[in-house]
Amino acid sequence: GIQVEQSPPDLILQEGANSTLRCNFSDSVNNLQWFHQNPWGQLINLFYIPSGTKQNGRLSATTVATERYSLLYISSSQTTDSGVYFCAVVYNFNKFYFGSGTKLNVKP
Amino acid sequence: DTGVSQNPRHKITKRGQNVTFRCDPISEHNRLYWYRQTLGQGPEFLTYFQNEAQLEKSRLLSDRFSAERPKGSFSTLEIQRTEQGDSAMYLCASSLSVSYNEQFFGPGTRLTVL
Repeated sequence: GIQVEQSPPDLILQEGANSTLRCNFSDSVNNLQWFHQNPWGQLINLFYIPSGTKQNGRLSATTVATERYSLLYISSSQTTDSGVYFCAVVYNFNKFYFGSGTKLNVKP
Repeated sequence: DTGVSQNPRHKITKRGQNVTFRCDPISEHNRLYWYRQTLGQGPEFLTYFQNEAQLEKSRLLSDRFSAERPKGSFSTLEIQRTEQGDSAMYLCASSLSVSYNEQFFGPGTRLTVL
């Protein structure tokens, strides 16, 4: 299979701060998605980004497929951004391989 | 609501009992996936369907586990003779096609085996 590594594993921010989450993967992928898992366990789609850059409000993401990494940027963080952020990749057009997540805690 | 739905949301059972979970994917999504997530870990793939055909099963899916998608719409995941190690969140996702495979997840079913 493919290895997916996320860093940092834990991140504590003061409200208003910016952050960058990283996802490295070990092989070429067909799809990459970023998710936010809320306290009830629901995975919320943030970005579908196999390559390139996308922005959605205070969040943006960049995937450099040739170098096998993706970055998720959170600007002006809010307490509601707290939770676990997962990167997941699709390899060989079938299932997802998830990273182990970055647990974000934004303090007021 | 046109998202992925899962039932039940919570299930508590005693060791040795059988349980069945249901997933209703987004309408017209022909791929459906099952994942399992334990505390502090990312979701792990269990199995997936393209229409009614089950195309791949993980080694995590022991012979006590079976999944079906009989008409290519909803799917069921059954666990027989549950064990305490089966306690986890079971997640279902669906995607439109092979070429555009953005996956959308349901709210999950949290299983507790006593």
